[in-house]
Amino acid sequence: EAGVAQSPRYKIIEKRQSVAFWCNPISGHATLYWYQQILGQGPKLLIQFQNNGVVDDSQLPKDRFSAERLKGVDSTLKIQPAKLEDSAVYLCASSFGWRNEKLFFGSGTQLSVL
Amino acid sequence: SQQGEEDPQALSIQEGENATMNCSYKTSINNLQWYRQNSGRGLVHLILIRSNEREKHSGRLRVTLDTSKKSSSLLITASRAADTASYFCATRQGGTSYGKLTFGQGTILTVHP
Repeated sequence: EAGVAQSPRYKIIEKRQSVAFWCNPISGHATLYWYQQILGQGPKLLIQFQNNGVVDDSQLPKDRFSAERLKGVDSTLKIQPAKLEDSAVYLCASSFGWRNEKLFFGSGTQLSVL
Repeated sequence: SQQGEEDPQALSIQEGENATMNCSYKTSINNLQWYRQNSGRGLVHLILIRSNEREKHSGRLRVTLDTSKKSSSLLITASRAADTASYFCATRQGGTSYGKLTFGQGTILTVHP
């Protein structure tokens, strides 16, 4: 079974620039998550989709971050404009359902904002 | 905000020894999960324990859950150098309609050959 695919693997940008990350979840997984992991910390949930609807974006900085999940499959997370404190690993995960299932994670995108 | 708090923050042991990591949380949960993260990689699910369970085993892993104390522990027996990684507990909160999964800060485990 193919895992969660993420790209790019690494990204370096200047502050105030824009950046986008892409995620393809495991086939058939209805729930998709974007987490932000700052070095030395645990992952923090940014947004959770159930199919193509948002069920939790309470910790998403909506003035600069946006995410979409078209047709309930692939998802894109965008930052515009980036700040220095956005330097982190952005992890995408998926699960079959949303209540009790385990999450499957991609390898993440490591973002450095200079 | 982080729901779980792991203890210790770092643990260093010799191969063959047992490693115990603890997790405390604040609100009621549906289940608690443990994940492993190797350096530069995504997280891998290890084990899930439901709120009505007290102990669960999977291979060399043993997880306990005490809902009265809002705490869990992960025991890795006969550790190997390959167990070197960060370990995170994550809680699936109860009483919500979407079951947000919240991670703790993690325990860094180093197993010396």
